[in-house]
Amino acid sequence: RKEVEQDPGPFNVPEGATVAFNCTYSNSASQSFFWYRQDCRKEPKLLMSVYSSGNEDGRFTAQLNRASQYISLLIRDSKLSDSATYLCVVNFSNAGGTSYGKLTFGQGTILTVHP
Amino acid sequence: DAGVIQSPRHEVTEMGQEVTLRCKPISGHNSLFWYRQTMMRGLELLIYFNNNVPIDDSGMPEDRFSAKMPNASFSTLKIQPSEPRDSAVYFCASTLGLAGGMYEQYFGPGTRLTVT
Repeated sequence: RKEVEQDPGPFNVPEGATVAFNCTYSNSASQSFFWYRQDCRKEPKLLMSVYSSGNEDGRFTAQLNRASQYISLLIRDSKLSDSATYLCVVNFSNAGGTSYGKLTFGQGTILTVHP
Repeated sequence: DAGVIQSPRHEVTEMGQEVTLRCKPISGHNSLFWYRQTMMRGLELLIYFNNNVPIDDSGMPEDRFSAKMPNASFSTLKIQPSEPRDSAVYFCASTLGLAGGMYEQYFGPGTRLTVT
């Protein structure tokens, strides 16, 4: 089983639609959670961190369920510019309780927003 | 801040040749990561350093791959000899790895390697 699993998609949605991505992780000793965005032929960039209480940034809402080891990202009112690959990312601590900032990336979910 | 700098941005080489990829992390960051990305395998962590010391190189595919970090501002990833299956985009990323921190990693633009 992969440490971080995502539905690879692709998701094809019209402008203005609401779309949700889900992600599960295997290690309960996870410390930090993120969503990264990667545009075609570009590097991954942080979209938003995910906090235990859930958080919102404009049209984007992230949720975390530690009991179910589940993370979600909701995009409202999709724009053409939202077309990208969305990566679910988890920071696991090692047996000694340290991680040095190591992140584990999911395979990514491809989103295409069309006119 | 210039961000993470990688060079070269593109490299085309013939099978059997040595390839050296370079990375300059963000000043002040103490952890550096080398990744490889392909369509088939996604983003794979190859090796990472903390305070210039290699912490985990279990992702390095073979002995043909080696990485060094001689100081806090420079790292190299070397492939010798290169093979066509090494063709991929290689990313370098850095972070300030503090205990309890959120560990956002900043990626460089990547080196697109093609081995013919």
